[in-house]
Amino acid sequence: LAKTTQPISMDSYEGQEVNITCSHNNIATNDYITWYQQFPSQGPRFIIQGYKTKVTNEVASLFIPADRKSSTLSLPRVSLSDTAVYYCLVGALYNFNKFYFGSGTKLNVKP
Amino acid sequence: KAGVTQTPRYLIKTRGQQVTLSCSPISGHRSVSWYQQTPGQGLQFLFEYFSETQRNKGNFPGRFSGRQFSNSRSEMNVSTLELGDSALYLCASSTGLAGASPDTQYFGPGTRLTVL
Repeated sequence: LAKTTQPISMDSYEGQEVNITCSHNNIATNDYITWYQQFPSQGPRFIIQGYKTKVTNEVASLFIPADRKSSTLSLPRVSLSDTAVYYCLVGALYNFNKFYFGSGTKLNVKP
Repeated sequence: KAGVTQTPRYLIKTRGQQVTLSCSPISGHRSVSWYQQTPGQGLQFLFEYFSETQRNKGNFPGRFSGRQFSNSRSEMNVSTLELGDSALYLCASSTGLAGASPDTQYFGPGTRLTVL
């Protein structure tokens, strides 16, 4: 299983764009990159998933360079409600859901 | 489409007792995975069931067991509870199938277990 490395915490202010980078040097050819958001005492919520280049949905963008050894989750114009822990996961199409959750990044959005 | 549901949401037990947690996956999903989350260890994979069979297992003692029914609903059982079993137990469902698209997991709200 490919392990991931993320910053333990980040601070931001409301209205700013936040970029959280994840390192996954041992990513395999079949691996996809998935990001989850988790609020205290709740289950992780799926944010975005990608394989290469850029993926965008209504809440975030995911940038993946050509070597795929890292990825960056971009949250546009964060609000206080975006304060949460963000997890980067790497897993294959056929990994039968055996994901490895790292420590995640605690994002603290200030007013 | 209804999300993943877990019951009960909160549970208090004493050491030595056993507990059963329930998870109902998203309709059409056949894979259910269980995770334990504690402040010290983070999110750890317990096991995964697919079509009533355990397909993957994490590194937890045999006191932790599970099963899956024909309707894909799953239960997790912890016997002889220890203080260290206090945690948020999360289940996640997915199609469980290999295909052209990634098999994304969707998590339930969790069951908060407190062992006294």
